[in-house]
Amino acid sequence: AQKITQTQPGMFVQEKEAVTLDCTYDTSDPSYGLFWYKQPSSGEMIFLIYQGSYDQQNATEGRYSLNFQKARKSANLVISASQLGDSAMYFCAMRELTGGGNKLTFGTGTQLKVEL
Amino acid sequence: GAVVSQHPSRVICKSGTSVKIECRSLDFQATTMFWYRQFPKQSLMLMATSNEGSKATYEQGVEKDKFLINHASLTLSTLTVTSAHPEDSSFYICSARELGTAANYGYTFGSGTRLTVV
Repeated sequence: AQKITQTQPGMFVQEKEAVTLDCTYDTSDPSYGLFWYKQPSSGEMIFLIYQGSYDQQNATEGRYSLNFQKARKSANLVISASQLGDSAMYFCAMRELTGGGNKLTFGTGTQLKVEL
Repeated sequence: GAVVSQHPSRVICKSGTSVKIECRSLDFQATTMFWYRQFPKQSLMLMATSNEGSKATYEQGVEKDKFLINHASLTLSTLTVTSAHPEDSSFYICSARELGTAANYGYTFGSGTRLTVV
């Protein structure tokens, strides 16, 4: 079974609008962390936001927020006030702290295009 | 913040030759390095995990004799693609982690290497 599932291969959003990128995960490890990364066309991986499985509140970092629904095993990324520079590939990733060691498992990504 | 320098950014090599990719942690000690491979428009697939001073742990299906990983120091890890063939053409990216960092930190990525084998 896929550990990280991103069902939206591509998304379009108008500038200044908000957009939600979906991510669901599968783990039996009670202790885990969820990450979102942005990958522009240049290829580097830019860390956006992190949510720990025991965190009580949804993570926020500037225009990024994570809608964490633990019972549904979802960790959607919300980008508010989209900008043209947000156009990129977005990856959700998970680290299983108990059994998975230090490695990150990535989803298949969502290509976001911000339009005028 | 933590920086990982990855070189070269692009390399073109002839089929049958070997290519070495370097990742250096510039301002921290990278006790663990991860090497990923990414095909166009696809996800990052973990190839191997290396800890300083010990042998790398390869993911299932990754040929350890073809993708040689050396992590001889706390600031340098190398990936050598031996006897490269066109199907090895891909984007390779490293990630370094410092011992003792909190769960939400410490995954610093290099800028990637685009390998083309002709």
